[in-house]
Formats: sequence, C-alpha cells, structure tokens
Amino acid sequence: KNEVEQSPQNLTAQEGEFITINCSYSVGISALHWLQQHPGGGIVSLFMLSSGKKKHGRLIATINIQEKHSSLHITASHPRDSAVYICAVKETSGSRLTFGEGTQLTVNP
Amino acid sequence: EAQVTQNPRYLITVTGKKLTVTCSQNMNHEYMSWYRQDPGLGLRQIYYSMNVEVTDKGDVPEGYKVSRKEKRNFPLILESPSPNQTSLYFCASYPFPRLAGAYNEQFFGPGTRLTVL
Repeated sequence: KNEVEQSPQNLTAQEGEFITINCSYSVGISALHWLQQHPGGGIVSLFMLSSGKKKHGRLIATINIQEKHSSLHITASHPRDSAVYICAVKETSGSRLTFGEGTQLTVNP
Repeated sequence: EAQVTQNPRYLITVTGKKLTVTCSQNMNHEYMSWYRQDPGLGLRQIYYSMNVEVTDKGDVPEGYKVSRKEKRNFPLILESPSPNQTSLYFCASYPFPRLAGAYNEQFFGPGTRLTVL
C-alpha cells in the first residue's frame, strides 16, 4: 500500500462544476503539498499545509491531521484547470517528500 | 527572476555513456532534490541535499550520483546509463525553515526528458 493515496485517479468535469480531489496518507507528517503539473510537464506548487485550510483564488486546500487526510477543491472549474494534481507529504522525520500518483483532471467546455 | 534551471531539457543517449544533468537555483536555497517521474509510479525522490557537501539517498538512488560543491548547483550524474533510467527528471529547491515546524514550498525546474537506448 502506498504511503500517499489519491482519489480519484482520473476526473472529468464540465466547466463550472465544483471539484474535489482527495489525498490520504499513512505516515506522520510535518507538511503536505498540493502540486499542479501542466500538460507540458512543468510543476507548480499550489499549497503547502500543516493544518487547517488555505485559499488562493478558486482553489481551496484543507487538511485534517488527525484523520491523515487532505482535500483540494476547485470552485467554478475552467478548462485551463485541466492538469495533473499531485499530493506530496513531508514526513516528520527527515527531509524527503513522498508523492501520490496524481489525479488527472479534465475540464470540458 | 527566481528560478530553478535544468540542462539539457531533452537528451537521447546510449547505454553506458556517462552523462550529467545540471541543476541550478538562484534563490540561495539550502535544500535541493532530484526526482524522476514515470507513468503509473508518480514522482520518486532520487537524492537530496540539505546544504553544501551534505547529500542523502532518496527512494531510488541506484545508478545515480550527485554532488553539492556549491550552494546553487546540484548536478545529477549517471555514470553508466541504462534503458530503465529513461524517465522525466525534475530538480527542485526550497529554503531551510526559519521557524520551528515551518516548511516552505518547493520550486521545481522545468524537467529533463531522458531517453537511454
């Protein structure tokens, strides 16, 4: 079993829909990242969380440390949101990051 | 502009021919890291460095070497590349946390697509 599990693996939505991507992990962490990988391959850091909730534009990320779970929400989705969204956790011990396999999001016009 | 650069962006080579992928950051970050990304496996850490002359193995270090002689550079060396090292490689950097418990976002390079024939 992977230390970081994302769901769903693939998600197709219509423009304007509210989207949720989930991330569950099994290790103790000091931080969790949400990353966006564009179709061209570049990776951008969206959020880094250690507790609570963060919001940036139409993106909202939440984390529940007790339940070892995080969600990434996209409100009013748009075709330009189409990308792979990756969850990564920094374990409490050490400096390494462990990644989920990613969620491929496609938003159709 | 704050950035992480990698070179080359694309490389096709043959088995056994030594190669180096360079990584450089201009943000004075202490931490640097190399990842490979493969279909169905996601991103996996190869090596990371917490500062000059301090490196450590990640999840998949076999077949790779790194060095950190200067703070800004963290080259990835494949002494004898093999076809199973065909992959998309990313370098990333991030600063040492200034507050207890703090952790900062990673900045990723644009990626290097390597094919080993």
